[in-house]
Amino acid sequence: KAGVTQTPRYLIKTRGQQVTLSCSPISGHRSVSWYQQTPGQGLQFLFEYFSETQRNKGNFPGRFSGRQFSNSRSEMNVSTLELGDSALYLCASSFSGPTYGYTFGSGTRLTVV
Amino acid sequence: AQTVTQSQPEMSVQEAETVTLSCTYDTSENNYYLFWYKQPPSRQMILVIRQEAYKQQNATENRFSVNFQKAAKSFSLKISDSQLGDTAMYFCAWPLTGNQFYFGTGTSLTVIP
Repeated sequence: KAGVTQTPRYLIKTRGQQVTLSCSPISGHRSVSWYQQTPGQGLQFLFEYFSETQRNKGNFPGRFSGRQFSNSRSEMNVSTLELGDSALYLCASSFSGPTYGYTFGSGTRLTVV
Repeated sequence: AQTVTQSQPEMSVQEAETVTLSCTYDTSENNYYLFWYKQPPSRQMILVIRQEAYKQQNATENRFSVNFQKAAKSFSLKISDSQLGDTAMYFCAWPLTGNQFYFGTGTSLTVIP
């Protein structure tokens, strides 16, 4: 079956712009989580959605937001981009939560210049 | 505080040899799950192995096995018969309350031919 698909793979944006990243989970998975990965901070949790509802949010500013659609596809949005937002953004999905582990996508590499 | 610590930033092993990656964690919970993920240069996080804390038997998946010491809060990963394809970053992870994973800082493993 198809894995977790993230688009685009690479993105270059200018400081102050906004960006939207997309994630299509494995068919049947209703939980989608987003993580930011940087060399300095490692992997940090952004938020998790389940059946279109945000269940949890990490310690990120309000510029980071997300949503989940009825088909479980998810988007995350970052407004007013800062240089420090340059990172690999990983999406992960599971049927109901982390108990059996998440399946990750290959990520979107965002570079803010 | 609930934390995950990987004390070995980098390790190397000769092809066909055995290597052990260490991970310690701190939690006050009694029932939980622990995971090892692998991130090769392709960037996708791949689930390697999962351990249920209430099970005394160590989990095994082909060449990968864990040494789970609940009292010591230690969760090490042993890779037997190392292969070139095992070269990757390895992350120890566990799900905090709230459906989010907390990842360790990772160990970069290089398999030398």
